[in-house]
Amino acid sequence: GAVVSQHPSWVICKSGTSVKIECRSLDFQATTMFWYRQFPKQSLMLMATSNEGSKATYEQGVEKDKFLINHASLTLSTLTVTSAHPEDSSFYICSGGGEAYNEQFFGPGTRLTVL
Amino acid sequence: GQNIDQPTEMTATEGAIVQINCTYQTSGFNGLFWYQQHAGEAPTFLSYNVLDGLEEKGRFSSFLSRSKGYSYLLLKELQMKDSASYLCAALDSNYQLIWGAGTKLIIKP
Repeated sequence: GAVVSQHPSWVICKSGTSVKIECRSLDFQATTMFWYRQFPKQSLMLMATSNEGSKATYEQGVEKDKFLINHASLTLSTLTVTSAHPEDSSFYICSGGGEAYNEQFFGPGTRLTVL
Repeated sequence: GQNIDQPTEMTATEGAIVQINCTYQTSGFNGLFWYQQHAGEAPTFLSYNVLDGLEEKGRFSSFLSRSKGYSYLLLKELQMKDSASYLCAALDSNYQLIWGAGTKLIIKP
């Protein structure tokens, strides 16, 4: 099956710093990539949808200036959490969409802890 | 609004069978997914149903009734490694996934 990687797998940072998370589709081209956030014991919450070469579409309530998404190529999307605060601590998961609308391949996730 | 309902937690015994139910209300419908998620890991795909009926895949089966807005995931011959959260997600008319909160399945020896 299709493989999506994320880097880093976990990160601890100080409040006020910025953190970049990379999401790569290793063996397929992901026209669309999705970024999710998951708090403990809660379901996945879609943050934004990005299409290669265009601006991301953010879900209601997600600050686009705080969560910067770049999808520069068909195999790489990045999420930058700017000026991170403790409430941004969460599990961030990306997924890449395949050619069929019902295909979505998840990365292993990045656990962010902001002190 | 759009909504997915599934039980918060279930407990079953190793070797037994368990059925996890999911009801959905979405604007349009383009299929229903089941994912398995172990603690601290990303979800892994289990099944996709878009037509009514039962789809069997090894020890796991998934059922869909579009008229009732209902699906279930059936796990047979339960193993300890099946302890995980099971997420139900419906694809709406905009091909956006609407996620349930997940059902935590606890398997006891």
